Amino acid sequence: QKEVEQDPGPLSVPEGAIVSLNCTYSNSAFQYFMWYRQYSRKGPELLMYTYSSGNKEDGRFTAQVDKSSKYISLFIRDSQPSDSATYLCAMKGSGTYKYIFGTGTRLKVLA
Amino acid sequence: EAQVTQNPRYLITVTGKKLTVTCSQNMNHEYMSWYRQDPGLGLRQIYYSMNVEVTDKGDVPEGYKVSRKEKRNFPLILESPSPNQTSLYFCASSGLAGDEQYFGPGTRLTVT
Repeated sequence: QKEVEQDPGPLSVPEGAIVSLNCTYSNSAFQYFMWYRQYSRKGPELLMYTYSSGNKEDGRFTAQVDKSSKYISLFIRDSQPSDSATYLCAMKGSGTYKYIFGTGTRLKVLA
Repeated sequence: EAQVTQNPRYLITVTGKKLTVTCSQNMNHEYMSWYRQDPGLGLRQIYYSMNVEVTDKGDVPEGYKVSRKEKRNFPLILESPSPNQTSLYFCASSGLAGDEQYFGPGTRLTVT
């Protein structure tokens, strides 16, 4: 079993829809949770960064962490065609420099 | 402009021919890391470095070497490349582990 599981998609939604992207994990030591966006032929860029459980909002993006269920989510409101990309979740434990990434979910927002 | 640069961007080589992929950052970051990205497997960490002369293995270090002689540079060395090292490689840096990682543009390596 992988430490981090992420549905690869692709996920196709109409412009303006609310998008929900999710990851599950098995290692209860993970404390830091991140979401990256990766456009085709580009390096990943950080979208959201959260520590421990709870919600964090930044513009149209909301990250949720539920440590009791070992489940993290990224919500995108009012999705735009420019949001079409692959979204990667990542996580790490406290006091470690090792990052574990999900395989990524490919999102297509249709105009 | 703050950035991580990698060279070369594309490389085709043959089995056993030593190669080096360079990585440089201009943000005075302490932490640097190398990843490989493969379809269905996502990003996997190869090696990371917490500072000059301090490096450690990630999840897939076999067949790779790194060095950190200067803060800004973190080259990835493949002493004897094999076809299973064909992949897309990314270098990343951050000020502190757990802080935002800035990724380079990637190096697509093909080993025949």
